[in-house]
Amino acid sequence: KAGVTQTPRYLIKTRGQQVTLSCSPISGHRSVSWYQQTPGQGLQFLFEYFSETQRNKGNFPGRFSGRQFSNSRSEMNVSTLELGDSALYLCASSLDVSSAGELFFGEGSRLTVL
Amino acid sequence: KQEVTQIPAALSVPEGENLVLNCSFTDSAIYNLQWFRQDPGKGLTSLLLIQSSQREQTSGRLNASLDKSSGRSTLYIAASQPGDSATYLCAVIGGSNYQLIWGAGTKLIIKP
Repeated sequence: KAGVTQTPRYLIKTRGQQVTLSCSPISGHRSVSWYQQTPGQGLQFLFEYFSETQRNKGNFPGRFSGRQFSNSRSEMNVSTLELGDSALYLCASSLDVSSAGELFFGEGSRLTVL
Repeated sequence: KQEVTQIPAALSVPEGENLVLNCSFTDSAIYNLQWFRQDPGKGLTSLLLIQSSQREQTSGRLNASLDKSSGRSTLYIAASQPGDSATYLCAVIGGSNYQLIWGAGTKLIIKP
């Protein structure tokens, strides 16, 4: 059974650009949640999607957005990149909403903003 | 506002020892608590999930306990091995916002 797949694994952008990250959940999982991990702030919740609907959103500016498709794959977008957006972005999938059960994480997308 | 604290931030022990990692949270109204491990540069691997109605969960050499009233969870690792070296994170989902709130992690080093 394939795990959670995140693409790309590594990317470098410059300030002001925008980036799109992709997450393919485990087959049959309907919930995808996104997290930002930085050395200074640790892990922080970005948002969760369940059945194509944003179920919950963390405390991030509107430059961070996401969506989920009918096949449960999810994308997150960050516009007008800032140096502080450099981080490891992790997505997790779960069978049901994230509050109900076990989360399975991908390897992450490491974003460097220059 | 829920806050999760993990103590110690780092721990180094010889191989074979039993050890305990601690996680505390400020709001006892949680749905569940999960323990994860993260290897350098990697994603997270779920170790144990404890629902709010449960007191403990076991998987192999790992045992996690939950005491909601005191806002504490412990992860017990028996007979530690070098392969257990990783950062261990706990996270809780609770309250009104259903968001996963993370501790900062405990970096564990098992010396051969």
